[in-house]
Amino acid sequence: GAVVSQHPSRVICKSGTSVKIECRSLDFQATTMFWYRQFPKQSLMLMATSNEGSKATYEQGVEKDKFLINHASLTLSTLTVTSAHPEDSSFYICSAPSRQGAGNYGYTFGSGTRLTVV
Amino acid sequence: SQQGEEDPQALSIQEGENATMNCSYKTSINNLQWYRQNSGRGLVHLILIRSNEREKHSGRLRVTLDTSKKSSSLLITASRAADTASYFCATDGVSWGKLQFGAGTQVVVTP
Repeated sequence: GAVVSQHPSRVICKSGTSVKIECRSLDFQATTMFWYRQFPKQSLMLMATSNEGSKATYEQGVEKDKFLINHASLTLSTLTVTSAHPEDSSFYICSAPSRQGAGNYGYTFGSGTRLTVV
Repeated sequence: SQQGEEDPQALSIQEGENATMNCSYKTSINNLQWYRQNSGRGLVHLILIRSNEREKHSGRLRVTLDTSKKSSSLLITASRAADTASYFCATDGVSWGKLQFGAGTQVVVTP
């Protein structure tokens, strides 16, 4: 089945530095990638949608200058957390849609990245 | 914003028992999906039920959907310790791809 590979799985960085998270679709083309954020024991919140060849679409309240998204190819989307601060510590997950019949899509999720900013 | 509520928030059962969790949502949907998340991991897609379907089965999973009540249920039969995880419902509505997740149900299955 469809696989989305997400790296790194864990990262610890110093406050003020930037961190890049990659998601690759391994055996299919992902023209769209969704980026979520999840706080401990909470649900997933959609941050932004990246589309290959065009600008990402950000959800209300998400700073686009802080969370830079690039969809460089049909198999690679990246999220860069710039000038990270402790409040950015969270679990970040990407997902790509996969067809589940006419007009219906399931989504393949990456394994997530645990970001800790110290 | 979060679409729905799930209950219970946590469920503890013994192996062999059935686990039932419910999900309610607020807006019109194209389909509703259930996902499993093991601690600190990504989500695994379990099952998708379309808005015109009422019940769907997949192995030990049974999902129902009542669009008049805007609710769904997930039943896991003959649970195993490996079923220990958090379970989320997610609705796929008017805006394609913008899955709205419920708060999740944490299930613990003890041997």
